[in-house]
Amino acid sequence: AQSVTQLGSHVSVSEGALVLLRCNYSSSVPPYLFWYVQYPNQGLQLLLKYTTGATLVKGINGFEAEFKKSETSFHLTKPSAHMSDAAEYFCAVSGNEKLTFGTGTRLTIIP
Amino acid sequence: GAVVSQHPSRVICKSGTSVKIECRSLDFQATTMFWYRQFPKQSLMLMATSNEGSKATYEQGVEKDKFLINHASLTLSTLTVTSAHPEDSSFYICSAIPATGSYLGAFFGQGTRLTVV
Repeated sequence: AQSVTQLGSHVSVSEGALVLLRCNYSSSVPPYLFWYVQYPNQGLQLLLKYTTGATLVKGINGFEAEFKKSETSFHLTKPSAHMSDAAEYFCAVSGNEKLTFGTGTRLTIIP
Repeated sequence: GAVVSQHPSRVICKSGTSVKIECRSLDFQATTMFWYRQFPKQSLMLMATSNEGSKATYEQGVEKDKFLINHASLTLSTLTVTSAHPEDSSFYICSAIPATGSYLGAFFGQGTRLTVV
C-alpha cells in the first residue's frame, strides 16, 4: 500500500520569498517520488522525480526536492518565488507502477 | 519531450447521451495508458489502466459499463462515458507510458472538462 500526504491545501508566499511545499509518503517498497504542477484547466506537468541515487533532485523552473527516507518526506522548495509559480502542485508516489497522488497544494504568490 | 494529446478539451452534453474522449501519444508508442478523474479542487483519482490490445483494469468503485475504455492501438486510447448524468461532470485526464520506458516517465494529456446538463 502507498499513500501521500500533502500538508497545507493552500500556501501563500510573497514574490521573491522561499517556497516550501510539504509532502510525506508511505510505501511498502522503496518509493519513486514525483512532483507535478497543474495550471487551471490543464493536465499535469512533471517538475521533478526521485528514483534512486542522489537524494537532492533538481527540476524545472528552479524547483528542487530532497528525499529523506528517515522522515519519509519529499518536500518541494524554490529559493525565490515568481508570479508564474502560482498553480496547483501534486506530490505522487509509485512503487507498483501506479501513481498515487496527494490532495494537492494550491500555491498563491503575493505581489 | 513526449506529447500526449487529449480531445476534446471541453465538452458539454445532454444527460443520457454518450461522450467519447480520445487520448493520443503523438510521438511515441504507449503500451499502457491511465485514465484519471479530478473533481474541483481535489486530487486525481485513478479510474482505470488501459493496456493495448487487452481489457482495461478498473479501480474499485469505477463502473466499467459506464466508463468504457478502448486501447486499440499503441497511440490511442479512448474513454467513453455512456448515458452521462450531471454527476459525471468532471475533469478527465489521461497519461501514457512509452513502450520503451516505464511508469517513471508517464506523460499527461491536457485534460478534458466534461459538463453534463
